[in-house]
Formats: sequence, C-alpha cells, structure tokens
Amino acid sequence: AQSVTQLDSQVPVFEEAPVELRCNYSSSVSVYLFWYVQYPNQGLQLLLKYLSGSTLVESINGFEAEFNKSQTSFHLRKPSVHISDTAEYFCAVSPAVRGNTGKLIFGQGTTLQVKP
Amino acid sequence: KAGVTQTPRYLIKTRGQQVTLSCSPISGHRSVSWYQQTPGQGLQFLFEYFSETQRNKGNFPGRFSGRQFSNSRSEMNVSTLELGDSALYLCASSFVGVPETQYFGPGTRLLVL
Repeated sequence: AQSVTQLDSQVPVFEEAPVELRCNYSSSVSVYLFWYVQYPNQGLQLLLKYLSGSTLVESINGFEAEFNKSQTSFHLRKPSVHISDTAEYFCAVSPAVRGNTGKLIFGQGTTLQVKP
Repeated sequence: KAGVTQTPRYLIKTRGQQVTLSCSPISGHRSVSWYQQTPGQGLQFLFEYFSETQRNKGNFPGRFSGRQFSNSRSEMNVSTLELGDSALYLCASSFVGVPETQYFGPGTRLLVL
C-alpha cells in the first residue's frame, strides 16, 4: 500500500519570499509523483509530475520539485511567490505497476497563504 | 477545447435517498476517475472507468457505484445516503489513465441532511 504525508497543513509566507512545501511518501513499489493545486471552488490542476529521468522537474509558473528516492520525498519549491499562488497544494503518488490506472493517492494538502 | 464538466454542481439530499452524479470528460478522453474529497479524509479514489469498463476500484462500500457510457461520459451513484457521504465529488479524465495528466472537473458538492 502507498501513503503520502504532507508535513505542513498551512504555510504562511510573504510575497516574493521563497517557499517549500514538503511531501514524503511510503511505497513498496516504484511510484509516479505529482503535485496538484486547487484554487477555491475549483477542481485540481496539475502543477508538475515525475515519471522517470531527471529528478528535478519544473512547472511553467516557476515551481519546481525534486524527487529524492533515498528520502522518499518530493518537495515543492518556488524561489519567489506571488499573491496569486495562494491555494491548496496536494502531493500525490501512483504505483508504477501494471494494472494500476487512474488511481492517485493524495496527501492531506498544504494551504499556502501568501501575504502582501 | 472544453474542460471536464460535472453536473449538478450542488446537491442536497436526505439520509436514505440515492443520488446520481454526472461527469463529461474532455473530448477524446476515454479514462474517467472519481474521487471523494472531505475535510477529514481528504481526497480518496473511488473508481476508474475506461471504455465502459471499471478498471480500478478504491475502498468504498458497495453503495458507491458507477458506469461509463460509449461516449465516455460517466455517472456515479450513491444509494442509501449517509451523513458521512457529504463531500465534494470530483471526476478526472485523461486519454488512457495514470500516469497521464488527469484533468479535473470543478466537482459536485453533495450535502446529506
């Protein structure tokens, strides 16, 4: 079985400051890793994902995440946040095994609050 | 291209009733997954359909069921509603499923009284 732990339920930060949202996972098999963002009253949007290859993945809006297999982590970072980044962020994993399709296992979410 | 649409957006039911929620995937997508989101349990996977077949199922009781039609539209049904079924129900679509990017709809918010 897989599980995902997001270590902070809320992260307050000032605008233009850097931020890190932490995610650790547990799995006996290889996994794919994802970060999703949810704005109020909306569905989830994919920020970035790690399937294989380079352990550092980047999104188009300045976020990046690094897969660390030894520490089973996939922390999300942004060097300078904007007010518009205020949202809830979810880390998710999916077992990279045959027969597993369409299933994401989510963490509890981290609310990023960007203050002016 | 239109996104994933879910109807209705809001629903109020009473205990013991049943409810049907609908999801229309992005055109061309054949995989539809359903999730339940609650403050206490977070986001939990319900099931996934592909080409009208259920391929994967989460740990929910048999009161939760779903189906997919030939045009890839999907419905989920909850029978004998309980207070704990109050939640945001999200569906997500993709061409063939994970690890492809899943595109989520805005959700249906169900309140059970």
